[in-house]
Amino acid sequence: SQQGEEDPQALSIQEGENATMNCSYKTSINNLQWYRQNSGRGLVHLILIRSNEREKHSGRLRVTLDTSKKSSSLLITASRAADTASYFCATEDSGGGADGLTFGKGTHLIIQP
Amino acid sequence: NAGVMQNPRHLVRRRGQEARLRCSPMKGHSHVYWYRQLPEEGLKFMVYLQKENIIDESGMPKERFSAEFPKEGPSILRIQQVVRGDSAAYFCASSPPPRGEKLFFGSGTQLSVL
Repeated sequence: SQQGEEDPQALSIQEGENATMNCSYKTSINNLQWYRQNSGRGLVHLILIRSNEREKHSGRLRVTLDTSKKSSSLLITASRAADTASYFCATEDSGGGADGLTFGKGTHLIIQP
Repeated sequence: NAGVMQNPRHLVRRRGQEARLRCSPMKGHSHVYWYRQLPEEGLKFMVYLQKENIIDESGMPKERFSAEFPKEGPSILRIQQVVRGDSAAYFCASSPPPRGEKLFFGSGTQLSVL
């Protein structure tokens, strides 16, 4: 599997529920970021967590990072219809790999009103 | 402060033609990245540039693809002799120094090769 693999591929929940998405990666990283993409649009940065951090909050978003398991999770609480989008994790490799961020294939989140 | 501007929004080319995609980074940003996205896929890194320099082109095909970020003007991603497999959405992102932090994305150029 590729660096930055999200799970699940698709998730459909009711408005007001919490949504949890997971991301696994393979290499050593400097940081891990989550982005959102609405259909036909560019990506929007949501949150960045550094390799020495374990948890970070931003509004209704909560991100965790477990470097021993090479995994991260994104929790969106009290979901809204406007949260419907694809969510991607991206990693910055610390091992001298490509200079660009490495993105996963994303989780497509649908919030049912 | 305008965001990252990409044009055109949609580009249709016939096989064998050339495609030129333009990207103007946000004001004050000196780092430009190009990514390609296929349907239902994540973004694949292509090239990273700073003004007048290609820093990392490890994700860009060796043939037919080239990129530049001149001292003046937008960054250009050029695809020569396009083939159907080049059809994709091409996104540009920019960031202020240092690199690797938050990226700001444009809305992309959807390239369709007939």
